[in-house]
Formats: sequence, C-alpha cells, structure tokens
Amino acid sequence: SQQGEEDPQALSIQEGENATMNCSYKTSINNLQWYRQNSGRGLVHLILIRSNEREKHSGRLRVTLDTSKKSSSLLITASRAADTASYFCSHLTGANNLFFGTGTRLTVIP
Amino acid sequence: DAGVTQSPTHLIKTRGQHVTLRCSPISGHKSVSWYQQVLGQGPQFIFQYYEKEERGRGNFPDRFSARQFPNYSSELNVNALLLGDSALYLCASSYRPQTNEKLFFGSGTQLSVL
Repeated sequence: SQQGEEDPQALSIQEGENATMNCSYKTSINNLQWYRQNSGRGLVHLILIRSNEREKHSGRLRVTLDTSKKSSSLLITASRAADTASYFCSHLTGANNLFFGTGTRLTVIP
Repeated sequence: DAGVTQSPTHLIKTRGQHVTLRCSPISGHKSVSWYQQVLGQGPQFIFQYYEKEERGRGNFPDRFSARQFPNYSSELNVNALLLGDSALYLCASSYRPQTNEKLFFGSGTQLSVL
C-alpha cells in the first residue's frame, strides 16, 4: 500500500485472551486514530494518539505509537465476543484527508 | 442527540443510472466527508465539505460529485453508474475539517449496481 497497512489481516482468538494488531504508515503524521467497524456498518472511533505521545489507554484498549518506525499497535485486553469486528488505523495524508488501511478482522470465539 | 444519518440504507441500481445519497451530520458539525468502502477493503476518501465549500477530493472520476447545503447536510451524486461502483458509501461528520479530530460515521448506504 502507498499509505500503510494493518497486520495481521485476520485474527481469531478465544474469549478472555488479548488481541494485538499492528499498523504501519509511510508519511509523517500529526496523529493516528483507530476505528472499529461491525459487520459492514459505520465506523466507530476508538482512540486518537498524537505524534508526541508514545502510549495511550482507554478502558481495555492500549495503543502505542513509534514514530521512528512509523508504526502503531492496538492491544485489546480480556477480549469479549462483542469485540468481534474489523479494526482500522487511520492518519491524515498530505492532501489532508483521512487514509484508512485494509483493516484487521478480529474474531473472538466465546 | 441524533448521530450521523444516511439515506437510503440500501439501494439497487442498474449500470448507466444516476444515484443520489444523502447525509445529515451531527447537530453543530459543519464538516462532512464521504467515503467509499468496497467489500474487504478500508474506506477510501471521496470528498470533504466544510461550510458548504469543497475542502478535499480523493482520486475518483468526475462522475462523482457532492454538495453541502446551508444546514450542513450533504448529497453525494454518482452518474453513469458502473458495476465497480457497488460499495458501502459512508458519510462522516466533524465540527471542523479533518485535522486532529475524530470522525463520527453514519451507518452507510449499501449501493448495488447490476
């Protein structure tokens, strides 16, 4: 991808386990955002991390950002069946629009 | 408060037809963006409008056009539909143009072109 991508493309875990998904990007960023999408519906904003932040927490979510490696990771702890969704990272492009990768499809098995 | 609303939720058209999709942003939000999401892919940016002016345009042909009304609602128009236009069309709103703000998305319009 010219702008970045998520990895892995798909992830299947048991309920209660932790899920980690990664995101790489190729440009300088002001911030990076993570979104969740349930079954082809609208995206829901999860967390925004600014370029001068290294780690951010929100409930069971933990996001890290490494600007030297141009990468970010999203950790979901103690996963639940309701966490089953696609997860996208996004960042502003040089044209000032929000770029989304292809996403990680997470399946949490009850 | 109502979230971002899009209409219709589903639409079936045939090749060559025209389609208009509608979006109402969250009250107080002045910026609306449109995204196309093909099955299995991430959303792709189409347009952004702020205060009724186009602020950004993605890599889409001129068959795609949009506008924003004084009440900040927006329409996306697609002419001469192609099979490849089949996708989920998402509208997102924010108070200001995309910078350091999160976007609020509607549930989308699923367009099928036969």
